[in-house]
Amino acid sequence: KAGVTQTPRYLIKTRGQQVTLSCSPISGHRSVSWYQQTPGQGLQFLFEYFSETQRNKGNFPGRFSGRQFSNSRSEMNVSTLELGDSALYLCASSPGEGQFDEQFFGPGTRLTVL
Amino acid sequence: AQSVTQLGSHVSVSEGALVLLRCNYSSSVPPYLFWYVQYPNQGLQLLLKYTSAATLVKGINGFEAEFKKSETSFHLTKPSAHMSDAAEYFCAVSANFGNEKLTFGTGTRLTIIP
Repeated sequence: KAGVTQTPRYLIKTRGQQVTLSCSPISGHRSVSWYQQTPGQGLQFLFEYFSETQRNKGNFPGRFSGRQFSNSRSEMNVSTLELGDSALYLCASSPGEGQFDEQFFGPGTRLTVL
Repeated sequence: AQSVTQLGSHVSVSEGALVLLRCNYSSSVPPYLFWYVQYPNQGLQLLLKYTSAATLVKGINGFEAEFKKSETSFHLTKPSAHMSDAAEYFCAVSANFGNEKLTFGTGTRLTIIP
């Protein structure tokens, strides 16, 4: 079974631009979660989607948004980029229907904001 | 609310020596606890998880962890360190049914001395 894939792997943007990151979950998984990893703040939960609906949300400003498609693929968007948005963005997928399902992580997208 | 504290941001052990990485949790409900490993430029890989079935949990690569409710701890151990164990290790907690949000500790970087 193929793992979680994220595209692109690396991205360079400038302040004020917007960016869209993509995540393809493991086949059959309906839950996709997004995390931001930075040296200063560590790993922080952004949001989770299940069956095209946002089921949980972390404490990030409205510039961070996401969506999930009917095939469970997910995208996250960051508008009006700031220098502090430079981070590794990790996507994780799970079946999403158990009491707690193991999350499988992708390799991440490294975003650099100049 | 749930949280985890990892004591020691950097740990160095000699090859063949015992590995002990510390994690203490705080949770208002019985928690689910996890240890993940991250190798450079990669995503997170699940080492093991505690979901209340057994207090001593065995994971991949020879790692194990013991859930101690009285100490609110879930320390990760491996009897004999190998050079390939050098990586960053994260303890994480989740306490919600049907909710995939993970709260991570700040991580411990493990260095193996030849």
